[in-house]
Amino acid sequence: EAAVTQSPRNKVAVTGGKVTLSCNQTNNHNNMYWYRQDTGHGLRLIHYSYGAGSTEKGDIPDGYKASRPSQENFSLILELATPSQTSVYFCASGDGTGIEQYFGPGTRLTVL
Amino acid sequence: QQQVRQSPQSLTVWEGETAILNCSYENSAFDYFPWYQQFPGEGPALLISILSVSNKKEDGRFTIFFNKREKKLSLHIADSQPGDSATYFCAAKGGGADRLTFGKGTQLIIQP
Repeated sequence: EAAVTQSPRNKVAVTGGKVTLSCNQTNNHNNMYWYRQDTGHGLRLIHYSYGAGSTEKGDIPDGYKASRPSQENFSLILELATPSQTSVYFCASGDGTGIEQYFGPGTRLTVL
Repeated sequence: QQQVRQSPQSLTVWEGETAILNCSYENSAFDYFPWYQQFPGEGPALLISILSVSNKKEDGRFTIFFNKREKKLSLHIADSQPGDSATYFCAAKGGGADRLTFGKGTQLIIQP
């Protein structure tokens, strides 16, 4: 069974609305990450976490918040969604060594 | 500032040929270089990786060549198969950080 799951898999939101993307991992990893993937930009790190209660800013954190309420769950929150946040979002988990990150299947978000 | 660069952006080779994907980096502190493979509709997955103390790493048909002096590495896929068609990301880690910096990816198409 998949170790990193994301929900929803697809989401259409309106400009100015609030969007929450959820991620769950069963790897018992301390670290979790949120990336967005856009054509021509590859994978860019938005926020990451070292454990429950911890969130850190990545390379492109503006317009996003993150929440890590437990070891297993890591959410990405768009308080006021904008069309520029239309993208595919990936969650990943890692054991903290950085040797390998395990990615979820992605969430396709469209902001109209 | 793009710290990890990949070329070409897109590559088409015939089945059975060797595909060569290139990567370069700027940060001398990077000491670990994984390559991730991503199929359409899925998250990336670790394919093969190399530490900066090595100049070559093989895993079946996949080989990484690493040149520390020039800050360059390449992924060679021998006897390419249509199932190898995917996007390949070069990534880098170093300086004690556990986060990865990804390149923009190379889309590889294997023509039967």
